[in-house]
Amino acid sequence: DADVTQTPRNRITKTGKRIMLECSQTKGHDRMYWYRQDPGLGLRLIYYSFDVKDINKGEISDGYSVSRQAQAKFSLSLESAIPNQTALYFCATSDRGTSGTETQYFGPGTRLLVL
Amino acid sequence: EDKVVQSPLSLVVHEGDTVTLNCSYEVTNFRSLLWYKQEKKAPTFLFMLTSSGIEKKSGRLSSILDKKELFSILNITATQTGDSAIYLCAVANAGGTSYGKLTFGQGTILTVHP
Repeated sequence: DADVTQTPRNRITKTGKRIMLECSQTKGHDRMYWYRQDPGLGLRLIYYSFDVKDINKGEISDGYSVSRQAQAKFSLSLESAIPNQTALYFCATSDRGTSGTETQYFGPGTRLLVL
Repeated sequence: EDKVVQSPLSLVVHEGDTVTLNCSYEVTNFRSLLWYKQEKKAPTFLFMLTSSGIEKKSGRLSSILDKKELFSILNITATQTGDSAIYLCAVANAGGTSYGKLTFGQGTILTVHP
């Protein structure tokens, strides 16, 4: 079984619709992250959470919101999807320990198309 | 604002060639530099570098960090078609609320032809 799972894996939606992408992990990590990937732009951080009560904005949080329902679950919402949110979305996790904090483990990604 | 720049953006080689991928960075409070390989979907971890001049090696891949000149290189010797992927460089910030956050470069797309 995969340690970090994302659902759905692919989604097509229309402009203005509300969309939720879900991430679950069995690694027991405290820290979770949401990224988007666009061609030629690498991975950009949307939101991150260092524990259940801690939520922080990343570099491109506008138009997105998140919820950390439990240590193992971190959801990303697009309240009103727009076409330039078409991208590949990744969830990642990392350990709290000082030696492993930076090593992030990625889910398989969700490909979102907003028409 | 932390910044990571990778070069080249894309590279096409033949099997058996040696390639060098570059990563330069600017970060307010450097903690470490990481390399990831991305094939079909999820990036997978390759190396984490924290000290200058110490080479990390895994099979045909190796990497080294220069904290004075603010760059790292990833070398792949005797390339194989299975090395075709996007290689991502990221830096981790050690400061305050940014602790542990990664800033990624654009990635280098490597294509290895038979």
